[in-house]
Amino acid sequence: ETGVTQSPTHLIKTRGQQVTLRCSSQSGHNTVSWYQQALGQGPQFIFQYYREEENGRGNFPPRFSGLQFPNYSSELNVNALELDDSALYLCASSKDPGAYNEQFFGPGTRLTVL
Amino acid sequence: GESVGLHLPTLSVQEGDNSIINCAYSNSASDYFIWYKQESGKGPQFIIDIRSNMDKRQGQRVTVLLNKTVKHLSLQIAATQPGDSAVYFCAENPNTGNQFYFGTGTSLTVIP
Repeated sequence: ETGVTQSPTHLIKTRGQQVTLRCSSQSGHNTVSWYQQALGQGPQFIFQYYREEENGRGNFPPRFSGLQFPNYSSELNVNALELDDSALYLCASSKDPGAYNEQFFGPGTRLTVL
Repeated sequence: GESVGLHLPTLSVQEGDNSIINCAYSNSASDYFIWYKQESGKGPQFIIDIRSNMDKRQGQRVTVLLNKTVKHLSLQIAATQPGDSAVYFCAENPNTGNQFYFGTGTSLTVIP
């Protein structure tokens, strides 16, 4: 196990609703990245948080937002859910930002939008 | 976004044989690559990485080859074991920023 935990494990929402997903980073890590993984696809980078600030964002609309807390845990919020938001949401923590710092992934939250 | 693709979506090998998983990438500016293994119900797990100033790197039972001329990456697994059954992703990073681009993945099945 990586020491990165995510909650909830599974979630079912309806279109138009809002959702909050949570991630606890590994001890000693100050950076959290969020990814969306559609069925049968590779993960897509949503954004990264470093010391409570957003530190890079992928090609996702503003209704995807995040937060990082002083203990470096993080939340991903998605507003106005769409059917295409159904996916596995992964968070990964690392000691520092930057490509050469290994990312440790959590098991993910499976979101289904009906 | 970037285009990182795999030549074979599925691969079946006999236990004990060697496995080769291929990956094509499109951004010639990419200078860092990682192979990940994802088992069912789990997040991706780092296997091995390679920087663009190298063309080969070896780990325990795994070797990554990088051909920058044709923008191709491969993962070789020696003496494949049932525990190697998983989906394998290559990921590229242009300019060592904080964003990785993942390929679609190859599903490896090891036949006992």
